[in-house]
Amino acid sequence: QVQLVESGGGVVQPGTSLRLSCAASGFSFRSYAMHWVRQAPGKGLEWVAVISIDEKREHYADSVQGRFAIFRDNSKNTLYLQMNNLRPDDTAVYYCAKEGDHTAWSSFDYWGQGTLVTVSS
Amino acid sequence: QSALTQPASVSGSPGQSITISCTGTSSDVGGYNYVSWYQQHPGKAPKLLIYDVTYRPSGVSSRFSGSKSGNTASLTISGLQAEDETDYYCSSYTRTSTFLFGSGTTVTVL
Repeated sequence: QVQLVESGGGVVQPGTSLRLSCAASGFSFRSYAMHWVRQAPGKGLEWVAVISIDEKREHYADSVQGRFAIFRDNSKNTLYLQMNNLRPDDTAVYYCAKEGDHTAWSSFDYWGQGTLVTVSS
Repeated sequence: QSALTQPASVSGSPGQSITISCTGTSSDVGGYNYVSWYQQHPGKAPKLLIYDVTYRPSGVSSRFSGSKSGNTASLTISGLQAEDETDYYCSSYTRTSTFLFGSGTTVTVL
């Protein structure tokens, strides 16, 4: 079965960096675009970034553009999110999500359990 | 990149049907048939209910259905059940190859 397991969250100070990982299993990781989605405490979902199967296409939400970088290692079935210059409003649970099976870039059909990032001094 | 607009809350009695709207623009909801809907219980990851406006993934109850007219998509829950009481989000692909989520709707079963 499809499994996505995020790791790397924690408490960090504003202005610092953190790298999240998402280990994938149960499907052909290299065949699907992958996303990061976040949810601030008590708030709604916010899409963060997407990466294509060949890493040639990356897109970001305006709120993280220039500070976050999404990348993947298809040989390790792992997705990453490098987060730099973190701000308190980046505090959220970060989910990795798999592109839907039926139409490319249209939906998110499997999600991890999430990893909490807290940015606070 | 503003969130798609959803009503904050919708309520209904058991057995009734309710509809949640999701309003965007011609650059997202209205421009593509790439609207999806998610159900999220407290403390859990979201679950895909509807993709590509109207399609249900395998295993999702037929009580959930989706539609779209212009810049507004809708999720209808028929035969409302107690287990449906939770949060729902829409999402759409956009013309800049990014994605937007809706503001979220809490469904209450009276």
